[in-house]
Amino acid sequence: TQLLEQSPQFLSIQEGENLTVYCNSSSVFSSLQWYRQEPGEGPVLLVTVVTGGEVKKLKRLTFQFGDARKDSSLHITAAQPGDTGLYLCAGARSSASKIIFGSGTRLSIRP
Amino acid sequence: KAGVTQTPRYLIKTRGQQVTLSCSPISGHRSVSWYQQTPGQGLQFLFEYFSETQRNKGNFPGRFSGRQFSNSRSEMNVSTLELGDSALYLCASSSTSGTASYEQYFGPGTRLTVT
Repeated sequence: TQLLEQSPQFLSIQEGENLTVYCNSSSVFSSLQWYRQEPGEGPVLLVTVVTGGEVKKLKRLTFQFGDARKDSSLHITAAQPGDTGLYLCAGARSSASKIIFGSGTRLSIRP
Repeated sequence: KAGVTQTPRYLIKTRGQQVTLSCSPISGHRSVSWYQQTPGQGLQFLFEYFSETQRNKGNFPGRFSGRQFSNSRSEMNVSTLELGDSALYLCASSSTSGTASYEQYFGPGTRLTVT
């Protein structure tokens, strides 16, 4: 069974602090996505990483795909209250296989 | 381009009834996936339809079914509702070209409450 484990499950930090969220698996993925979901809404795609070792930046968010394409991390610099939400990683082994979602990291940024 | 739309947004049903949820994907997207999201279980994959055929299926009982029409619109049906079916049901569509085929674009969801 393919599993994507995210850690931590919950994170509450002060505005301005930095944080890292992890997404780990024993399986190799063709690509991995990160989503953010706010209450009452569907998840919104943030980024896709496809190459082992790839690093992508989205303003204060930095995403990295592991060299072996089994894990990924999301680093947020100088967190702001607007970063609050549920962060989900997702991966698939091929374009025709089902997409597996991680259990999510619920992030709360205190002003 | 319009996003993924889901109807209805909220639904209250009684145990034993059945329900049909509808999803219209982004124009040009041929793949539609359905997910169930609950606080305890997270986001669970139900099934995926591509060109009117079920391409992938999650581990849900046969009470959960779906279909896709020639215009890529999709419906999911849950029969004999149970209290545990209360959840946010999310629909997502994706393109089928290259790495974009992995990227899911979600609708706002249908909040189903079973009493």
